[in-house]
Amino acid sequence: GAGVSQSPSNKVTEKGKDVELRCDPISGHTALYWYRQSLGQGLEFLIYFQGNSAPDKSGLPSDRFSAERTGGSVSTLTIQRTQQEDSAVYLCASSLNFQWGYTFGSGTRLTVV
Amino acid sequence: SQKIEQNSEALNIQEGKTATLTCNYTNYSPAYLQWYRQDPGRGPVFLLLIRENEKEKRKERLKVTFDTTLKQSLFHITASQPADSATYLCAPLSNDYKLSFGAGTTVTVRA
Repeated sequence: GAGVSQSPSNKVTEKGKDVELRCDPISGHTALYWYRQSLGQGLEFLIYFQGNSAPDKSGLPSDRFSAERTGGSVSTLTIQRTQQEDSAVYLCASSLNFQWGYTFGSGTRLTVV
Repeated sequence: SQKIEQNSEALNIQEGKTATLTCNYTNYSPAYLQWYRQDPGRGPVFLLLIRENEKEKRKERLKVTFDTTLKQSLFHITASQPADSATYLCAPLSNDYKLSFGAGTTVTVRA
């Protein structure tokens, strides 16, 4: 597609439920990143996929968080047993070459009630 | 640990003036630094990349400097316009090619 697409755009879930967030990167972009942004805060790195290499999961805050990227394209971020502190905007970005910058989606706003 | 600090205060300027934003980083030496613009409810948009061996980079009304000795980048918007109102994010690239982002500086340009 023309840009990075994320779905859903908004998600309200009850504490303790699992959620799945989806990212469709730009076709051909080999690198895919997940960040989260809390209100008034900077972007916090979560996970990075590069081609067929093992993902860099160093930013995942707990074992409740996991992500996969199927066929080098679509990625899903899963949060199990959601907590209120998981409420944030989850942003996905893709890139072909970091020197050309990352292209971000508009994010999924997750609210845990 | 790596730390990135941007202007802590929001910046309010008159149309036509130059806005100068500061980004300071500590505990690492990025070879590249990027700047992004973020509008409310949107993801960041890439503006510029500057390399460690470049002192200055320009794109239209934007100018970025990169001082690796001071561990600082300055971002200038010249002849500012109300449409430049947004949050601007500094993003030094770590050695493993991940971007780390500052919290951003919100710029408001008054007509």
